[in-house]
Amino acid sequence: SQTIHQWPATLVQPVGSPLSLECTVEGTSNPNLYWYRQAAGRGLQLLFYSVGIGQISSEVPQNLSASRPQDRQFILSSKKLLLSDSGFYLCAWRGIFATNEKLFFGSGTQLSVL
Amino acid sequence: DAKTTQPTSMDCAEGRAANLPCNHSTISGNEYVYWYRQIHSQGPQYIIHGLKNNETNEMASLIITEDRKSSTLILPHATLRDTAVYYCIGNSGGSNYKLTFGKGTLLTVNP
Repeated sequence: SQTIHQWPATLVQPVGSPLSLECTVEGTSNPNLYWYRQAAGRGLQLLFYSVGIGQISSEVPQNLSASRPQDRQFILSSKKLLLSDSGFYLCAWRGIFATNEKLFFGSGTQLSVL
Repeated sequence: DAKTTQPTSMDCAEGRAANLPCNHSTISGNEYVYWYRQIHSQGPQYIIHGLKNNETNEMASLIITEDRKSSTLILPHATLRDTAVYYCIGNSGGSNYKLTFGKGTLLTVNP
């Protein structure tokens, strides 16, 4: 069966520090991968998605970047965090077949930038 | 994604059916209606999706109007664990599967 791992669960970082959040998927090949962010009291915002190794599409301009160094690994990064980067970050995956119309989410990382 | 409109919040008694409405008057012919829910501090969970016909699975039923301008998600026997934010999303799927989650409806199931 397929599983998605996301870590860490919580993170407190000072303004200006770097960020690296990692997400890995097991039990599937060539998944579509997604990074979402949810600010307090708001809806989920799609940040990045990837359809293959090295292929990253950015949905909104921001202080963050994403990379996909391996088929089932998706990394969210920042060189210098801002206060506005605080939020709940979620990684998700989806199978590549057109009939697979479900997004599966990880457990999320609660990031607090102070 | 098609623009969708949902009530901000709803209440339902435990054991009763919960009927969650969604308006999507501008949905295009090739866009599906997807429903997800998010329990506090967790990632969203897929519930059901449909195009034209009504759909049913082990979690819920989806009723789509004939003109496809609105739909209703039905939880037949709501439990306390169904308390969550429910999102209705219109999307064409396939290579365009980049779902945009709005604010959804907070469903509170009361004992």
